[in-house]
Amino acid sequence: GDSVTQMEGPVTLSEEAFLTINCTYTATGYPSLFWYVQYPGEGLQLLLKATKADDKGSNKGFEATYRKETTSFHLEKGSVQVSDSAVYFCALSDRAGNMLTFGGGTRLMVKP
Amino acid sequence: DAGVIQSPRHEVTEMGQEVTLRCKPISGHDYLFWYRQTMMRGLELLIYFNNNVPIDDSGMPEDRFSAKMPNASFSTLKIQPSEPRDSAVYFCASSSGLGPQHFGDGTRLSIL
Repeated sequence: GDSVTQMEGPVTLSEEAFLTINCTYTATGYPSLFWYVQYPGEGLQLLLKATKADDKGSNKGFEATYRKETTSFHLEKGSVQVSDSAVYFCALSDRAGNMLTFGGGTRLMVKP
Repeated sequence: DAGVIQSPRHEVTEMGQEVTLRCKPISGHDYLFWYRQTMMRGLELLIYFNNNVPIDDSGMPEDRFSAKMPNASFSTLKIQPSEPRDSAVYFCASSSGLGPQHFGDGTRLSIL
């Protein structure tokens, strides 16, 4: 079945540092890929998505590129802020585009 | 636009009691999902509906759990009888066709 693997956290960075959170997937066919963010006490919010190979999703300074050859969708940001502290989830959708398979989540802590 | 609305936000009850969690999806969305989030197991899909019809309930842990969607604007997740191991954050999400899932803020359930 489909699966998503992302790096375990917590990831602790200083403000303005470069962020990478690795995500790899296993799926049949051509899934869509997503990054969701969960701030404390809240539900998950869609951060960005990519629907086909070589697509780059971007939002709020975050970027991720759909790499079919390496089955990866790594999340990057050039300069993190304290307000980026949250849990980040990588996910893929099934062929029908309805069900999501989530990774285990990576907690990011950014210190001033 | 109003997002996905869940109630209550917090629920504390004693084991053996019936618990009912409620969800109002975003108007016009035809898919509704119930998830459970715990530290140990991460984010688990319990059940999802399409046009008010349950499509996949393979994630429902036991017969003590049941979910209904009597109309397009309301769904319930019921646990009867509740047990301490049911303590978790329960999320409802909705989506439209191939669009991304939108999550509510969750219900934090504590079973004593």
